[in-house]
Amino acid sequence: TQLLEQSPQFLSIQEGENLTVYCNSSSVFSSLQWYRQEPGEGPVLLVTVVTGGEVKKLKRLTFQFGDARKDSSLHITAAQPGDTGLYLCAEFTGNQFYFGTGTSLTVIP
Amino acid sequence: GAVVSQHPSRVICKSGTSVKIECRSLDFQATTMFWYRQFPKQSLMLMATSNEGSKATYEQGVEKDKFLINHASLTLSTLTVTSAHPEDSSFYICSAWGRVSEAFFGQGTRLTVV
Repeated sequence: TQLLEQSPQFLSIQEGENLTVYCNSSSVFSSLQWYRQEPGEGPVLLVTVVTGGEVKKLKRLTFQFGDARKDSSLHITAAQPGDTGLYLCAEFTGNQFYFGTGTSLTVIP
Repeated sequence: GAVVSQHPSRVICKSGTSVKIECRSLDFQATTMFWYRQFPKQSLMLMATSNEGSKATYEQGVEKDKFLINHASLTLSTLTVTSAHPEDSSFYICSAWGRVSEAFFGQGTRLTVV
């Protein structure tokens, strides 16, 4: 079973601050996805990273995939209250689809 | 984009009864569907992988006889919580995989057992 550890588990910041969320694996990822989930809804895909060292940007969100493909980070610049939610990394291994432990982000206006 | 419909969105049942949750892929065929359980402010815990036409593969610690999964067609998988107890109360979410290796999620089902 792939173990995806995310840190921090909880994060509460003021609007306008920057933050980084990390996702680490006990083994090499084939590919990695990041999701955002709001309470009472299903997760929404933000990005998929495949190549070691890859960097993808989605507006104020920057996603990095480690060179060794065992870790990934999500950086949010100038956080806004609308960024509040549960951020999840996930990997599809072919037969299973596992999620990381999650980071609950609260952005205070 | 592809749509996965999960029904019901909320259900309240009495202890000892069974509840069926449906997960449908509306505009694509899903050979594989995943069922998750989620507690407040926690991540999604994979319960089982459902493949069309075959028995589901359950994760360690998930009771097969309690959480019955049926994937009878390429567009429908069902999760039945049998003899429900209050500790089964949770948020259950299904996920279906499309041809482009992207997961599409249902809206989730909030189960409350009283």
